[in-house]
Amino acid sequence: EAGVAQSPRYKIIEKRQSVAFWCNPISGHATLYWYQQILGQGPKLLIQFQNNGVVDDSQLPKDRFSAERLKGVDSTLKIQPAKLEDSAVYLCASSFNRAPSNEQFFGPGTRLTVL
Amino acid sequence: RKEVEQDPGPFNVPEGATVAFNCTYSNSASQSFFWYRQDCRKEPKLLMSVYSSGNEDGRFTAQLNRASQYISLLIRDSKLSDSATYLCVVKYGATNKLIFGTGTLLAVQP
Repeated sequence: EAGVAQSPRYKIIEKRQSVAFWCNPISGHATLYWYQQILGQGPKLLIQFQNNGVVDDSQLPKDRFSAERLKGVDSTLKIQPAKLEDSAVYLCASSFNRAPSNEQFFGPGTRLTVL
Repeated sequence: RKEVEQDPGPFNVPEGATVAFNCTYSNSASQSFFWYRQDCRKEPKLLMSVYSSGNEDGRFTAQLNRASQYISLLIRDSKLSDSATYLCVVKYGATNKLIFGTGTLLAVQP
């Protein structure tokens, strides 16, 4: 079974530029998550989707970050404009649904460096 | 105060050693508890769930103390392949939101 796919794997941009990350969850998984993992820290949830609706975006910096999952399958996370402190690994995860008993499976992540 | 706190390490141990990691969580409403493993430059993967009665999976034993809001992971007979970061994780509420600790780095030496 194919896992969670993410692209690109690496991205280097200058501050104030824009960047977008793409995620394709495991087939049939209704719930999709974006996490930010800063070096030396654990992942932090940015946004959670159930199908194409947002369940939790309480920790998403909405002045610069946006995410969508228009057809309830793949998702895009955008940063505009990027700041130095956005340098991190952006992890996408999916689960069958959002019931707490469901395991989340993580993709390989996109490593973003903002110069 | 962080929601989930761990000693970041590193823990440097010889092969065959027994090593224990501890974790505390601040929200008494936390409902589910896990240990994840993250290899260098890789994604986190579920190692094991943690139950109040304690649970064991081969060389790994996890314990939960709800009264003290404390979670532990014991690794016996450490292998070189156990070298990784171990993340303590809790869930609470109706959503499937994972709250991660900062992770504890384990380096098993030959």
